[in-house]
Amino acid sequence: QVQLVQSGAEVRKPGASVKVSCKASGYRFTSYGITWVRQAPGQGLEWMGWINAYNGNTDYAQILQGRVTMTTDSSTSTAYMELTSLRSDDTAVFFCARTPSRLGATDYWGQGTLVTVSS
Amino acid sequence: DIQLTQSPSFLSASVGDRVTITCRASQGISTYLAWYQQKPGKAPNPLIYATSTLQSGVSSRFSGSGSGTEFTLTISSLQPEDFATYYCQQVHSYPLTFGPGTKVDIK
Repeated sequence: QVQLVQSGAEVRKPGASVKVSCKASGYRFTSYGITWVRQAPGQGLEWMGWINAYNGNTDYAQILQGRVTMTTDSSTSTAYMELTSLRSDDTAVFFCARTPSRLGATDYWGQGTLVTVSS
Repeated sequence: DIQLTQSPSFLSASVGDRVTITCRASQGISTYLAWYQQKPGKAPNPLIYATSTLQSGVSSRFSGSGSGTEFTLTISSLQPEDFATYYCQQVHSYPLTFGPGTKVDIK
């Protein structure tokens, strides 16, 4: 069965970076992309970007350009999302989700990773 | 960017009720719309893609319709496990965007 298992909760100080992992299983990793979505406490869903796991092509939300990097490692079927220059308003739960194509709805989600940014 | 609005923002209903949630797009998106259900502390659960196609394993009491700028999610007979927040998402053009959500609560 398809599963996406994310890394554990993180606490960072403002200005630091965080890298969240998302390990996929149960399907051919390079046949799909991975979308990253974040959700601030008590807020809605915010699309962050998408990475094509076959060729590494990415699309990022304009608001995060320059601070976010999405990568994949096909040898371990793992996707990564790194966010730099963290601010307190980056505190959120970050989700990865399998996505069939660049313009496609997601079909399986990871459990989420809470990143807390606090001094 | 394409903006999505949802109405109502909050809905109070009883088990067995028929519930309809509307999602409106700021410009035409054909049928490139998905719906998700989210319960507190959990990841979103995909319900529908391409406006009306149920994701695998989703109950047939959920249905979706619409095209262009107006879409609806209908739950034909609300069940206890359906009390949650529902989000629409447009996958027509970048950046992909989500609606603000509709919380369905117990009356």
